[in-house]
Amino acid sequence: DIQMTQSPSSLSASVGDRVSITCRASQSISTYLNWYQQRPGSAPKLLISSSSTLQSGVPSRFTGSGSGTDFTLTISSLQPEDFGSYYCQQGSSTPWTFGQGTQVEMK
Amino acid sequence: QLQLQESGSGLVKPSQTLSLTCVVSGDSLTSTGYSWSWIRQPPGNGLEWIGYIYHTGSTNYNPSLKTRVTISVDRTKNQFSLKLNSMTAADTAVYYCAREVRGPDAFDIWGQGTLVTVSS
Repeated sequence: DIQMTQSPSSLSASVGDRVSITCRASQSISTYLNWYQQRPGSAPKLLISSSSTLQSGVPSRFTGSGSGTDFTLTISSLQPEDFGSYYCQQGSSTPWTFGQGTQVEMK
Repeated sequence: QLQLQESGSGLVKPSQTLSLTCVVSGDSLTSTGYSWSWIRQPPGNGLEWIGYIYHTGSTNYNPSLKTRVTISVDRTKNQFSLKLNSMTAADTAVYYCAREVRGPDAFDIWGQGTLVTVSS
């Protein structure tokens, strides 16, 4: 199985801050990397697919980058609705696997 | 607008079998370019992919659960189902059904999730 490791596991930030979350794969996955946001009590929501393709309706303050084993999700200016958990997921080979998650909390 | 809705047993006794169904509305699950997955999330923990099925009935399971899992599809009812046998407390989780876009293999539509508790 491909292991996905996110860092940090949690972070505290203020509205307006620039926030970056990294995801590392245990082997090369090209750009088969997807990012999800999960608010408490809700299902995950797909933000970005194929490392950098923003999903329809997702604000442009979210950007994704990377290829191979190292990937980054960046929120350019954190908004109140952005607080929650973020997960990466590899779509390179089954079993599809997720990172352990990064919890973004309000400072 | 495509929607997914899980239903089934919320409380399962140890050693028994979990049965869940995901009803697809707003589109046909025979649409090309998609597969249909089950994913679970233990309370306070991360996400685990269980397996997927195509509308043809072809399946792919997570090896960690493969011996206990069966996913099936009913095209006439536009739904797919999950059975997980020999349940233990470790299987307590929120279970989600989701549509998977082939290619990026990303889950773009999710059900609301259903909490399944394993307890006697």
